[in-house]
Amino acid sequence: ELKVEQNPLFLSMQEGKNYTIYCNYSTTSDRLYWYRQDPGKSLESLFVLLSNGAVKQEGRLMASLDTKARLSTLHITAAVHDLSATYFCAATFGGSNYKLTFGKGTLLTVNP
Amino acid sequence: DAGITQSPRHKVTETGTPVTLRCHQTENHRYMYWYRQDPGHGLRLIHYSYGVKDTDKGEVSDGYSVSRSKTEDFLLTLESATSSQTSVYFCAISGTGAINTEAFFGQGTRLTVV
Repeated sequence: ELKVEQNPLFLSMQEGKNYTIYCNYSTTSDRLYWYRQDPGKSLESLFVLLSNGAVKQEGRLMASLDTKARLSTLHITAAVHDLSATYFCAATFGGSNYKLTFGKGTLLTVNP
Repeated sequence: DAGITQSPRHKVTETGTPVTLRCHQTENHRYMYWYRQDPGHGLRLIHYSYGVKDTDKGEVSDGYSVSRSKTEDFLLTLESATSSQTSVYFCAISGTGAINTEAFFGQGTRLTVV
């Protein structure tokens, strides 16, 4: 069974602190995605990681991919309140079969 | 913003009635997906399509059917709605190859079955 597991599922941080969200997947993946979702809204694409060692950064968020460990991380630097949201990772599996499977999400709350 | 539109955005229906949700894209992407989102379960794949008339089941496909007669439209049908199908439904699209790597989501449809 194809699985994508995120941890932690809940994360409460103070502003200015750093933290990492982890995303493990169960088999070889073609692509690894990170999304942000605000309450009552749709999912916003943050990053797409395609190859081993890929690193992408946008503002205070940095995502990386280790295909050998089947692990992606989303690192938050000096968190601010505006980063409060739910973050999802997702992966596609199979050569030509781009079935997109999601983790359960990490609810991030950044406190002043 | 990616050209993906879901309709309707909100719907209340009675148990036992059929319901069809529509997803329309203007990106000419090959892959289209239907997910449901429920508290504590994240996003679960219902069905997906990898081309016109080519569809396959996801992890929670019971009680749902889909059709894709054109590249741009992917329909999700609840044949006989049940209260357990009350959820928020999202459509997504993605391309293939090294260029069209993004997967975009529609705005969602909030379905309530009473």
